[in-house]
Amino acid sequence: AQSVTQPDIHITVSEGASLELRCNYSYGATPYLFWYVQSPGQGLQLLLKYFSGDTLVQGIKGFEAEFKRSQSSFNLRKPSVHWSDAAEYFCAVDFDSSYKLIFGSGTRLLVRP
Amino acid sequence: GAVVSQHPSWVICKSGTSVKIECRSLDFQATTMFWYRQFPKQSLMLMATSNEGSKATYEQGVEKDKFLINHASLTLSTLTVTSAHPEDSSFYICSARPRTGGSPLHFGNGTRLTVT
Repeated sequence: AQSVTQPDIHITVSEGASLELRCNYSYGATPYLFWYVQSPGQGLQLLLKYFSGDTLVQGIKGFEAEFKRSQSSFNLRKPSVHWSDAAEYFCAVDFDSSYKLIFGSGTRLLVRP
Repeated sequence: GAVVSQHPSWVICKSGTSVKIECRSLDFQATTMFWYRQFPKQSLMLMATSNEGSKATYEQGVEKDKFLINHASLTLSTLTVTSAHPEDSSFYICSARPRTGGSPLHFGNGTRLTVT
């Protein structure tokens, strides 16, 4: 079955520290990959996406993600976290180019001052 | 940029009543819209795919007679929760795929439904 795994439920980092949020997915073909951020009670904001081409993609707010086909992973990174980055982060996958997204369970990011 | 608007942003209704949630694409035409629900502290689960001018496609386990979806135009899809019960209380979010395709999905800001 198609699935998306975000193994970390919570992550706490200090402001200014680097960040990596993990995302793995099932299935063998190259899907479309997304990272979204959600603040409490709000909708989703797209951080970045991967469809094809360069496996390192740049997004908004200083985020980047790297697609690694061999590991079926699409990890999100940021070199220096800001307090305003505290939120819930969702990895999402479109397995069949239908734009029907399967979401991971989310990772809540807490930022220590 | 492409904007998806949901209305209302929150609603409280009594058990047994029906509630309609609107999802509009404001500056683009959307042939396909998706409806998700999100329980507190959980992820988003796809409920159904709404295609303009045709019947919605529901995911397994979603009651189509309870969650009525209408996509009457290229800019509007509605989700009606019929005979709502407290267990229907949730956060409902829509997304829209532009008619031109090739763009990332755009999400509305969600609707918080509370059934008392």
